[in-house]
Amino acid sequence: AQRVTQPEKLLSVFKGAPVELKCNYSYSGSPELFWYVQYSRQRLQLLLRHISRESIKGFTADLNKGETSFHLKKPFAQEEDSAMYYCALSGLEDQGGKLIFGQGTELSVKP
Amino acid sequence: DGGITQSPKYLFRKEGQNVTLSCEQNLNHDAMYWYRQDPGQGLRLIYYSQIVNDFQKGDIAEGYSVSREKKESFPLTVTSAQKNPTAFYLCASSWRGGGTEAFFGQGTRLTVV
Repeated sequence: AQRVTQPEKLLSVFKGAPVELKCNYSYSGSPELFWYVQYSRQRLQLLLRHISRESIKGFTADLNKGETSFHLKKPFAQEEDSAMYYCALSGLEDQGGKLIFGQGTELSVKP
Repeated sequence: DGGITQSPKYLFRKEGQNVTLSCEQNLNHDAMYWYRQDPGQGLRLIYYSQIVNDFQKGDIAEGYSVSREKKESFPLTVTSAQKNPTAFYLCASSWRGGGTEAFFGQGTRLTVV
């Protein structure tokens, strides 16, 4: 069964501190992992996807198939990073089928 | 202006009544999704559709129904069988194929009074 787990409901850090939002997944096939972000009063939007191997707004995430993890990291947090972050998974075999989200982690960056 | 539109933004329903939430997209996407967002529970998949006239149940389909008669439309009906319908509902769409980005609507907040 597909499952995404984000163990932290709330993560609070000070500006300039490193950030790591944890995501673990369960999927028997070839997973496609994403991070979505929801800023206050805005729509949920894609932050990054593992297949692109890109850095967006200073955030990176590496897929670790051995540990079934896709943690989101940023070396120096900014106040504007405060938002709700969701890890999501779909299967490459699903052809646009099930897209499953985790419970979400609220990131609060304090000045 | 391309995008995905949900209406209405706020909806009130009396207990025992069915209510339909609208979701329209002009992105020419094949796949569409409905999620329910509750505090502390993240986004839970209700139904999804990969193509017109076809849809599949998600993880919490009980008490909900959908139709996909047109590519651009994927309405969700919350029936009286849904025991706890008060929630924030999100619709999304994407291209078919793994690894594609999902685009979300602004959501509909349903309150049962």
